[in-house]
Amino acid sequence: QVQLHESGPGLVKPSETLSLTCSVSGYPISSNYYWGWIRQPPGRGLEWIGSVYRGVGTSYNPSLKSRVTISVDASKNQFSLKVSSVTAADTAVYYCARHAGNRDKRRYFDYWGQGSLVTVSS
Amino acid sequence: QSVLTQPPSMSGAPGQRVTISCTGSSSNIGADYDVHWYQQLPGTAPKLLIYSNNNRPSGVPDRFSGSQSGTSASLAITGLQAEDEADYFCQSYDSSLSAYVFGSGTKVTVL
Repeated sequence: QVQLHESGPGLVKPSETLSLTCSVSGYPISSNYYWGWIRQPPGRGLEWIGSVYRGVGTSYNPSLKSRVTISVDASKNQFSLKVSSVTAADTAVYYCARHAGNRDKRRYFDYWGQGSLVTVSS
Repeated sequence: QSVLTQPPSMSGAPGQRVTISCTGSSSNIGADYDVHWYQQLPGTAPKLLIYSNNNRPSGVPDRFSGSQSGTSASLAITGLQAEDEADYFCQSYDSSLSAYVFGSGTKVTVL
């Protein structure tokens, strides 16, 4: 059973860097899957942030690419998200998920974490 | 704002059929990129409901089915039940945006 769990600060000040970690159990993160981050502002829809493959390949949403870094720590079976220069518009529930499917641009998210609310406020 | 447009809300009585549309364009659904559907119960994470247009993951009831035609896709719920009351999102890939994109979401209410 694949399980994911997000962790990190729930409050970040404007202009600072948001950092979250996703701990994965039940499946090796270095396997043949992508692992991604998605966010959902309160009361709104879902936005794909980016995905990482085996720690060596990343793809980012162009709308966020200049501020986002996703990395992998295979020894801990974790992957992480950093979003720099945050503003109130980055306030959202952040989800990590396994990004499944064996064909590029046709992938879907089959296992999700429970989500972590991050509020950007001074 | 979303490149995939869904009706904001739909409702139906128990036992009825509800069909949720997801309208895209030639750069996403119309470009033959797969459509996937998620169910989000109140206060919980999204759950994969349909993948690759019309496939159900293990454990998803066959009351849920997906289809795709042209620049649109649909999720059908037959035999509507109280536990189906949730938000539903479609998802695909958009070549103009070079990004995986989600629909605007549809809230289904069981009367």
